[in-house]
Amino acid sequence: AQSVAQPEDQVNVAEGNPLTVKCTYSVSGNPYLFWYVQYPNRGLQFLLKYITGDNLVKGSYGFEAEFNKSQTSFHLKKPSALVSDSALYFCAVRAYTGNQFYFGTGTSLTVIP
Amino acid sequence: DTGVSQDPRHKITKRGQNVTFRCDPISEHNRLYWYRQTLGQGPEFLTYFQNEAQLEKSRLLSDRFSAERPKGSFSTLEIQRTEQGDSAMYLCASSLGFDRTNTEAFFGQGTRLTVV
Repeated sequence: AQSVAQPEDQVNVAEGNPLTVKCTYSVSGNPYLFWYVQYPNRGLQFLLKYITGDNLVKGSYGFEAEFNKSQTSFHLKKPSALVSDSALYFCAVRAYTGNQFYFGTGTSLTVIP
Repeated sequence: DTGVSQDPRHKITKRGQNVTFRCDPISEHNRLYWYRQTLGQGPEFLTYFQNEAQLEKSRLLSDRFSAERPKGSFSTLEIQRTEQGDSAMYLCASSLGFDRTNTEAFFGQGTRLTVV
């Protein structure tokens, strides 16, 4: 079975501070991992992905994520948070041979001015 | 705009009525997905097409739900005899297929259904 866990429903961070949004996954075989962001009443916007290779992947808007195979984690990070980063963030996994994307329940990020 | 397009953006319907939603994927994408998202939850997979073939539909929530992609381009999702529990955001996404470098799905803005 494939699944994603986002252990924090809410993350608050001060503007200018580094942020981390956590994600762990369970999948059979090699995973494809993704982060998406959702603004109110909007669809999901792709941020970044891990397919293979370097464990640190960089994406849009200064976000990056670190793949850790031993911990089955794929945490989203940003060195310096902006107020405009406030949104709902979803981690997703797809098995290498799979067709479906499995999403976590989301983490609401609030960046405090 | 070359992104995924969904229509309508909002739909309010009375319980028992049928509704149909349309999705136009990114033009060169051969994979198309439908997801449902309720408040406070992540997107929940419903069904998936590879070109015009519906390859996975076991996750459709009941036999009241059906989807088509007749020419491998746009897709429709129909809900018959709507119930209040069908109220949700319905998301469509598309992707290029199985190419490892193009695995991500791109989502439309969704159709918000309210059943009253």
